[in-house]
Amino acid sequence: DAGITQSPRHKVTETGTPVTLRCHQTENHRYMYWYRQDPGHGLRLIHYSYGVKDTDKGEVSDGYSVSRSKTEDFLLTLESATSSQTSVYFCATSTPGLPYNEQFFGPGTRLTVL
Amino acid sequence: EDQVTQSPEALRLQEGESSSLNCSYTVSGLRGLFWYRQDPGKGPEFLFTLYSAGEEKEKERLKATLTKKESFLHITAPKPEDSATYLCAVWYDYKLSFGAGTTVTVRA
Repeated sequence: DAGITQSPRHKVTETGTPVTLRCHQTENHRYMYWYRQDPGHGLRLIHYSYGVKDTDKGEVSDGYSVSRSKTEDFLLTLESATSSQTSVYFCATSTPGLPYNEQFFGPGTRLTVL
Repeated sequence: EDQVTQSPEALRLQEGESSSLNCSYTVSGLRGLFWYRQDPGKGPEFLFTLYSAGEEKEKERLKATLTKKESFLHITAPKPEDSATYLCAVWYDYKLSFGAGTTVTVRA
């Protein structure tokens, strides 16, 4: 299994507070992704990165920002959390070559915004 | 509008009862279709990539096929450990879209 860890694994926060989720990988994979998973919607791509300092928006990027200063770390920040951002967040990586192909997922972070 | 639709939403099978899951898509310019398995409380686990119509991939009791408008995941003689949610995702035009998944329950 690819070494992907996410922290924290669970978080409860209040509306309007900033929140940062961390994804750490030990596989030296070039591509990294942040998804959210909600019942009935499946996984939706928030942001992705194709290298250090190279990031781009996904399908549902409003209210989220990302940073990647090292190959192994990809941070997701909710600038001002809202209740609609209550979700399970997954980080993923993929091997060099084609983007999106054969992604390895982390264990997820369950975020509740009150 | 939905780009990727999976059916059925849920499937209950008896051990050994083979069945198929469907993933239909309406995108143009397909670059790849992926199947993942997700166990409760865990991240998805990659199963297959299919690139072109007519392609097939197999892994143990699972077989994935692809046509121009849909993909099927066939489960042959399932066992209880095949119980999971199966997700398909479509890569097109530099975008990736996941279906909502089919939850499969296999009873012993």
